[in-house]
Amino acid sequence: QAQVVESGGGVVQPGRSLRLSCATSGFRFSSFGMHWVRQAPGQGLEWLAFVLYDGNTKYYADSVKGRFTISRDNSKNTVDLQMNSLRADDTAMYYCAKGTEFGEPPLWGQGTLVTVSS
Amino acid sequence: IVMTQSPATLSVSPGERATLSCRASQSVGTNLAWYQQKPGQAPRVLIYGASVRATGIPARFSGSGSVTEFTLSISSLQSDDSAVYYCQQYNHWPPGWTFGQGTKVDI
Repeated sequence: QAQVVESGGGVVQPGRSLRLSCATSGFRFSSFGMHWVRQAPGQGLEWLAFVLYDGNTKYYADSVKGRFTISRDNSKNTVDLQMNSLRADDTAMYYCAKGTEFGEPPLWGQGTLVTVSS
Repeated sequence: IVMTQSPATLSVSPGERATLSCRASQSVGTNLAWYQQKPGQAPRVLIYGASVRATGIPARFSGSGSVTEFTLSISSLQSDDSAVYYCQQYNHWPPGWTFGQGTKVDI
């Protein structure tokens, strides 16, 4: 059974860094692009970042460009999100999701909560 | 691409049918998914490819449409269907996925 599981969330002070990780299983990880999406409290869904199957192409939302970095390790079936210079408005639930290549549906994890507060 | 959902809120009675709309500002083909999200839970994929039900999704949920106009229909509504429903396009990237603002369905 395919699944993705996020970890690494927590409470962090403004200006500090945090690294989220997403562990995957049950599908051919090295063939799929991977995404990070977040949802601020009471708000809608916001796409953040994407990394292509080979790790060589990455895209970011303007809101996090220059502060967040997505990376993947195809030997470990994991994808990370390095978040620097965190701000209060980065407070959200962060979700990892498998891409939709080959006509397959997206697959989301349960999320990890990040709270940026002094 | 901007995804626009309507209505923002929909109040329906148990057993009735709900029809939710999603419009894309430009063509997304059939690269569209629908999600259901209940409070405190992650979004759950209901429909992908505009009309394909995800594994385990009851036949009461159906998706239709293409290009820029899409519909999610839920028949024989049950109290458990109370949730926020989002549409998402995955046709145009970069920059990436885009989501509608959601339709809240109250049963």
